[in-house]
Amino acid sequence: EMVMTQSPVTLSVSPGERATLSCRASESVNTNLAWYQQKPGQAPRLLIHSASTRANGVPARFSGSGSGTEFTLTISSLQSEDFAVYYCQHYKNWPALSFGGGTKVEIK
Amino acid sequence: QVQLVQSGAEMKKPGASVKVSCKASGYIFVTYGIAWVRQAPGQGPEWMGWISSHTHNTSYAQKIQGRVTMTTDTSTNTAYLELRSLRSDDTAVYYCARDLYDTGILDTWGQGTLVTVSS
Repeated sequence: EMVMTQSPVTLSVSPGERATLSCRASESVNTNLAWYQQKPGQAPRLLIHSASTRANGVPARFSGSGSGTEFTLTISSLQSEDFAVYYCQHYKNWPALSFGGGTKVEIK
Repeated sequence: QVQLVQSGAEMKKPGASVKVSCKASGYIFVTYGIAWVRQAPGQGPEWMGWISSHTHNTSYAQKIQGRVTMTTDTSTNTAYLELRSLRSDDTAVYYCARDLYDTGILDTWGQGTLVTVSS
């Protein structure tokens, strides 16, 4: 079974700073990877798909990179509304999907 | 706009069944599949399964195979999730999500339905 591992579990960042989140797959998923943002009490929101394509309406400060087993989500300059939990998800074995454990981005 | 609206919170006893609905609007329902994802308290999302709104083909997670049924009603643009033989570890928020072009990219999510299983 494919395992998605995210690091760090918690990231403390000051507003305006850059945040870098990592996601590692236990085997290659090519670029079949998405990132979601989830705020308390809300459903996840699609940010990035195909490893690096921003979803409709997602600000340019969010960018994704990587392929194979190593992926990165970068938030170039954190805004107050960006403090949330971020999940990676692969869809290489569609329709079966697998999510990572999440990274919580908190205010430093 | 594209929207998925789910039914309200449920409280069930162990061994009971629950059926959650997910009404779609703002797009041609049969064009996209629906994935169901659940999230236990403090945990990450867990994929439960997928249904084609067009063909009604389904794929279920092995963990819940035999206890789950996903259906769609194209006359009302509504998807349904039924989970039977509920256990306490089924307590979670259940989400439906639109599967973009049947790729596994979940571009629109319902607001979630809390299902609590407790005696």
